[in-house]
Amino acid sequence: KQEVTQIPAALSVPEGENLVLNCSFTDSAIYNLQWFRQDPGKGLTSLLLIQSSQREQTSGRLNASLDKSSGRSTLYIAASQPGDSATYLCAVAQANNDMRFGAGTRLTVKP
Amino acid sequence: SAVISQKPSRDICQRGTSLTIQCQVDSQVTMMFWYRQQPGQSLTLIATANQGSEATYESGFVIDKFPISRPNLTFSTLTVSNMSPEDSSIYLCSAGHPYEQYFGPGTRLTVT
Repeated sequence: KQEVTQIPAALSVPEGENLVLNCSFTDSAIYNLQWFRQDPGKGLTSLLLIQSSQREQTSGRLNASLDKSSGRSTLYIAASQPGDSATYLCAVAQANNDMRFGAGTRLTVKP
Repeated sequence: SAVISQKPSRDICQRGTSLTIQCQVDSQVTMMFWYRQQPGQSLTLIATANQGSEATYESGFVIDKFPISRPNLTFSTLTVSNMSPEDSSIYLCSAGHPYEQYFGPGTRLTVT
């Protein structure tokens, strides 16, 4: 059974810092991996999706990498801003149609 | 991509009552999914709803407690029946392919 772990559970940084969020998964037979943002009490916004054949995806200040063999993904946020404060979730999709979510990293960017 | 809307956005309900949550997609989709997110937890899949067939429930979730309808390719409902405080959660629907899902804004349910 696929298990997805996110470390750290919470992170607080001053504005302007670059930061890395980590996601690990136990079964490397994945179809893709997705990073989502969730604001308090809200739904999920897809940030980046990496197919299993890809190594990384970039969107603006966000860069996500995938190392399938080691079961790891990172989300890099450059020049963090207070508006980046949210919970970041990674989710792994597998060939049996099952998508598994990590518990999330709660990010606070202080002005 | 798809745009998902949910109603209601939030509700406060009394123990023992039922609430039906509606999910509308702006395009036709084969598969829709319902998730629960308990306070401080990640998302847990409740069931997958395909149009024209019975919903498929995950372990720990049963149809009597969470009946689902999928009358057409753009709409689904989830009912939370005979609610207890333990049902207080955010309920999210999503749509699309199993490998790439688009999520609604969620329904925040509080049961008193």
